[in-house]
Amino acid sequence: DTEVTQTPKHLVMGMTNKKSLKCEQHMGHRAMYWYKQKAKKPPELMFVYSYEKLSINESVPSRFSPECPNSSLLNLHLHALQPEDSALYLCASSQSSRDNGYEQYFGPGTRLTVT
Amino acid sequence: AQKVTQAQTEISVVEKEDVTLDCVYETRDTTYYLFWYKQPPSGELVFLIRRNSFDEQNEISGRYSWNFQKSTSSFNFTITASQVVDSAVYFCALSNYQLIWGAGTKLIIKP
Repeated sequence: DTEVTQTPKHLVMGMTNKKSLKCEQHMGHRAMYWYKQKAKKPPELMFVYSYEKLSINESVPSRFSPECPNSSLLNLHLHALQPEDSALYLCASSQSSRDNGYEQYFGPGTRLTVT
Repeated sequence: AQKVTQAQTEISVVEKEDVTLDCVYETRDTTYYLFWYKQPPSGELVFLIRRNSFDEQNEISGRYSWNFQKSTSSFNFTITASQVVDSAVYFCALSNYQLIWGAGTKLIIKP
């Protein structure tokens, strides 16, 4: 079962709102990722969790706050976002991020619009 | 520097035609991995294939085939007898613990 789920599918929020994106995988993977993808561009890595610990933060603004409650769940807390943060947010998982070469499996994404 | 180049921004073909998507990469590593992903209009990135640098065998999966040539640093993807459902953006990526993505090629299959 190679499935990563994400909720919500769509989210519209104002610049003063606080919201969270959720991601879940049941493949026993130990690495989970958040990506941001703007239209007609490849995904940009935001965060990597390895064995439930944050291992990579790609200089993401503090208005994005990741959380990994357990090995299956990944959240992205959003606060005081800007209109330029509107994008598709993708979650992915892989067997490991410590060893090179494992393929990543992606969820369907959350399409975020900041008004 | 590590880099992936997909020079074809957009390709449009008529259904049942064969189409090849090009991918050229740069790396100084001797061990590396290459990937292809498909992103249909729904947005989900679908993993298609992984190839490591020591395995230059070409791969075929149904109508899909991949040609890996280290001599030219290329990892091209061919769809035989294309179908409308193949319409998507296709990304080639190089792995160096993180994925280094090409810009993507938008493939349009017209009925």
